This record gives sequence, C-alpha cells and structure tokens, in this order.
Amino acid sequence: EDQVTQSPEALRLQEGESSSLNCSYTVSGLRGLFWYRQDPGKGPEFLFTLYSAGEEKEKERLKATLTKKESFLHITAPKPEDSATYLCAVPGGGNKLTFGTGTQLKVEL
Amino acid sequence: GAVVSQHPSWVICKSGTSVKIECRSLDFQATTMFWYRQFPKQSLMLMATSNEGSKATYEQGVEKDKFLINHASLTLSTLTVTSAHPEDSSFYICSATPSGSEQYFGPGTRLTVT
Repeated sequence: EDQVTQSPEALRLQEGESSSLNCSYTVSGLRGLFWYRQDPGKGPEFLFTLYSAGEEKEKERLKATLTKKESFLHITAPKPEDSATYLCAVPGGGNKLTFGTGTQLKVEL
Repeated sequence: GAVVSQHPSWVICKSGTSVKIECRSLDFQATTMFWYRQFPKQSLMLMATSNEGSKATYEQGVEKDKFLINHASLTLSTLTVTSAHPEDSSFYICSATPSGSEQYFGPGTRLTVT
C-alpha cells in the first residue's frame, strides 16, 4: 500500500525566511509525485509533477526536488501570500492519488 | 489551461432533500473524474472514480445509493447527494485528469444540511 508522510505538520516563517517542506513516500513503482497548494475553503491548486530522482521544477519562489525516497518543496524568501497548506500526492492503481496530510505554512510580516 | 469548475460553490438544503453538484473541465476532455470529500483540517478523502459513459467506482464505505455519480460526457460529471442529512454536510471537491496523470481540482462545494 502506498504511503505518503509530510513534515512538518505546521510551519511558521517570517517573510524572507527560506525553508523546506518534506514529503516522504513508499510506493511500489513511482509513477510521479505531485505537489499542490490548498487555500482555506478552496480546492487544491496544481503546482508540480516530478517523475524521476534528481528532477527539479521551479515556479516563482518554489522549487520542488525528488529523490528515491522523498521530495522537498523549497520556499525561497517567502511572502505572506505563500501562506497555505501544501500537499504532496502519489498516483496508484486507477490513477487514484494517495495524499500526505499536508504542511500548513504561515508566513508572517 | 487545465481549469475545472464546480457549481454551486455553496449550498444549504433541508434534511431529506437531494442536492446536485456539477463538475466541468473547461479546457480539456477528462478521461476520468474523481470526487472527494474533505472535513475541516483533514486531507482529501476519495469517494469515487468516474469514467465517461460507465458506472462510477466507489471507495469502500461510501454509499453508492446516497452519492449518485453520473459522468455524462468527457467534460461533465455530477454528484447527487440523495436524502441529505446533517452528517452529509462537508466540503466536496471534484478533480479531472486529461491524461490519467496529473489531477486538476475544482474550487469545491460547501454543502450544509439543516
């Protein structure tokens, strides 16, 4: 059974204070790893797909990386508008996603 | 690109009535659509998977007679909550995939049953 674990559960940063979120996974044959951002009362917003170890993707202040066991979402010089819950997920049989429990990020002025 | 809409965004209904939620992929054809439920401060819980023109596949513990799913076309899926009760109050989110890989999510529908 696929398993996805995210840490930390919650993270509070000052504006400009860079940090990383972790997503550890156990799957039988990785078919991709997805990162999403979810704001309160909204559906998840797609951020990145990573397919193989060593792959990196960037978007504005976010960079996602992938190893054989985990993925990191690096946030560089975050701003208050980056505050959200960040979810990672892996696809399994029938393309069903197994989600981590998410990291709730709050960026303060 | 890859925009998914849901309607309505919120709905209040009385106990015993039925509510229909629509999910549309606006700029792509969706081979598969998914319906999720999310409780406060919890992750998404998959309810069912639907493919156009075929019956939905429900996850264990999800009542198929209560949550009716119809995937009428490659851009439209509907979820009908029948005989709704207060415990059905939740945030319902759909997703769609154009290629069987990434899922793109709708904005969600907040259902409150009084």
